[in-house]
Amino acid sequence: SQKIEQNSEALNIQEGKTATLTCNYTNYSPAYLQWYRQDPGRGPVFLLLIRENEKEKRKERLKVTFDTTLKQSLFHITASQPADSATYLCALDESSASKIIFGSGTRLSIRP
Amino acid sequence: SQTIHQWPATLVQPVGSPLSLECTVEGTSNPNLYWYRQAAGRGLQLLFYSVGIGQISSEVPQNLSASRPQDRQFILSSKKLLLSDSGFYLCAWSVQGKDYEQFFGPGTRLTVL
Repeated sequence: SQKIEQNSEALNIQEGKTATLTCNYTNYSPAYLQWYRQDPGRGPVFLLLIRENEKEKRKERLKVTFDTTLKQSLFHITASQPADSATYLCALDESSASKIIFGSGTRLSIRP
Repeated sequence: SQTIHQWPATLVQPVGSPLSLECTVEGTSNPNLYWYRQAAGRGLQLLFYSVGIGQISSEVPQNLSASRPQDRQFILSSKKLLLSDSGFYLCAWSVQGKDYEQFFGPGTRLTVL
């Protein structure tokens, strides 16, 4: 079965710098990959979706890349702000079902 | 616009007691529905998902069950709670199809004592 690794449990970044989070998967290449933000005690909120035929997608200060050769997605937040502090989850589709599986998340802290 | 409701927000239950968590979605039809559990500091574990009324797929063997009595209603149940059932339970919905984002409810914090 597919496994997802977000290889940083926690990441601390100085305000204004670019935060880069990593998501690796182990088996088949998914048709798409999603990134979510989760604040403490709340449900995740969808941020971006990137499909297997897309190399990069942007939304305001967010950028996601998808490298099917490396089996990896990178999630970037440029000009980071303390309000960006949260846990970020990547998720990808299960090939034969109407469901996605989530990574364990990376807790991002932006210090002023 | 679409909204998703979950209740209760918090729940404290003794071991061996029953459980019923309810989730309803408004503003959409025939959604996919999902139940997740999240242990403290951990990722989301998919428990059940449903692509239609009465259609339930179970992901993890356990003492929980799910039902979908109406198109936009999803219920998570247990006859006898275990200590290990404690956690943050999240309901989510998505549009039918595979490459659509999921929209999550506010969650229920369950503590089993």
